[in-house]
Amino acid sequence: QVQLQESGPGLVKPSETLSLTCAVSGYSISSGYYWDWIRQPPGKGLEWIGSIYRRGSSGSTYYNPSLKSRVTISEDTSKNQFSLKLTSVTAADTAVYYCARGKIGNYYKDYWGQGTLVTVSS
Amino acid sequence: QSALTQPRSVSGSPEQSVTISCTGTSSDVGGYNYVSWYQQHPGKAPKLMIYDVSKRPSGVPDRFSGSKSGNTASLTISGLQAEDEADYYCCSYAGSYSWVFGGGSKLTVL
Repeated sequence: QVQLQESGPGLVKPSETLSLTCAVSGYSISSGYYWDWIRQPPGKGLEWIGSIYRRGSSGSTYYNPSLKSRVTISEDTSKNQFSLKLTSVTAADTAVYYCARGKIGNYYKDYWGQGTLVTVSS
Repeated sequence: QSALTQPRSVSGSPEQSVTISCTGTSSDVGGYNYVSWYQQHPGKAPKLMIYDVSKRPSGVPDRFSGSKSGNTASLTISGLQAEDEADYYCCSYAGSYSWVFGGGSKLTVL
């Protein structure tokens, strides 16, 4: 059974960097799926943040153009986890952050973490 | 990359059918047969209900069906049940390894 679990600080100060990790169990992140970050501001819709996909010996990353200048997604295959960093956060970045697995070739997200709320506030 | 357009709310009585639309552009919905639909109950993670426009994952009731015409995709739920009350989101591949979601539709079972 594939499981994803987000972790990280629940409170981040404005202008600082938001850092989250997604631990994956039941499947190797090196074995051919996209690994996504998606967020949902309180009471609002879903927004794709970015993805990482292992091609050969390294991971290729893809980002939402609206967030690209502030986002970095990386992987740690030894720990079977991937991470999100979002710099220069503002209150608009307050959201539930989800990690998810994306199917290559069909492009749907079949497994999701439970989500973690990150609040940006001083 | 703008969000796909969905009605904010839809409703129906038990056993009736409802359809939720999802309108994009030729760069996303109209350009690819990679539309998926997700159900989200309050406080829960989204759950995949439809992928590749009209395919159902194992375990999803056949009351849920999907279709697409031009730049608009649709999710139809027939034989509405109380447990179908939730938010529904469409998502489309938008090329160059990017994805766009709809704004979400709240389904109320009357």
